[in-house]
Amino acid sequence: DVKVTQSSRYLVKRTGEKVFLECVQDMDHENMFWYRQDPGLGLRLIYFSYDVKMKEKGDIPEGYSVSREKKERFSLILESASTNQTSMYLCASSFGRGSPTGANVLTFGAGSRLTVL
Amino acid sequence: GDSVTQMEGPVTLSEEAFLTINCTYTATGYPSLFWYVQYPGEGLQLLLKATKADDKGSNKGFEATYRKETTSFHLEKGSVQVSDSAVYFCALMRTGGSYIPTFGRGTSLIVHP
Repeated sequence: DVKVTQSSRYLVKRTGEKVFLECVQDMDHENMFWYRQDPGLGLRLIYFSYDVKMKEKGDIPEGYSVSREKKERFSLILESASTNQTSMYLCASSFGRGSPTGANVLTFGAGSRLTVL
Repeated sequence: GDSVTQMEGPVTLSEEAFLTINCTYTATGYPSLFWYVQYPGEGLQLLLKATKADDKGSNKGFEATYRKETTSFHLEKGSVQVSDSAVYFCALMRTGGSYIPTFGRGTSLIVHP
């Protein structure tokens, strides 16, 4: 089974703290994603990476950065956490651009629920 | 741009009732279509998919048919169970595109015994 593991299920941080959310996948997927999920807003893409050291901004990148130094690991960084970043964060991965059908299924982690006080 | 519209929830049903969750999409070309499910406290997981018009995806008693003429991919199940209570997300992905899916906002399903 493909596994996407998010290191922390629940975090509580203070305003202004630097926060790292880690995600590791074990299926050699090229693509990795970070989403946030909020009630009534569904999933919103923060950042996307299609290769090591490559990243693209999603719909809501402000206040976030990412790092992908190894293929299996994709980190989301909140440089200075704010209360409006309290949310559920979901990491996902998928095969890269070479999939023959285009039906690149995403495999998600269990999520990291972040509370910023 | 691409978009996916799902019926708003929550959808509340009694066990063994028939379920339909509507999904329509806007996209150029012939996207692949997906239903993902998120059980309480978990991430999303693929429920079913269809890659071309008139394809029917099915899994765990759920079905959805890719209707190009009505740009729809409605999710159905003949008899729901309490364990089907979850949030359901419809999504599309363009073939040959950026491989970033477009998700609907999700529909919460609550099934009572």
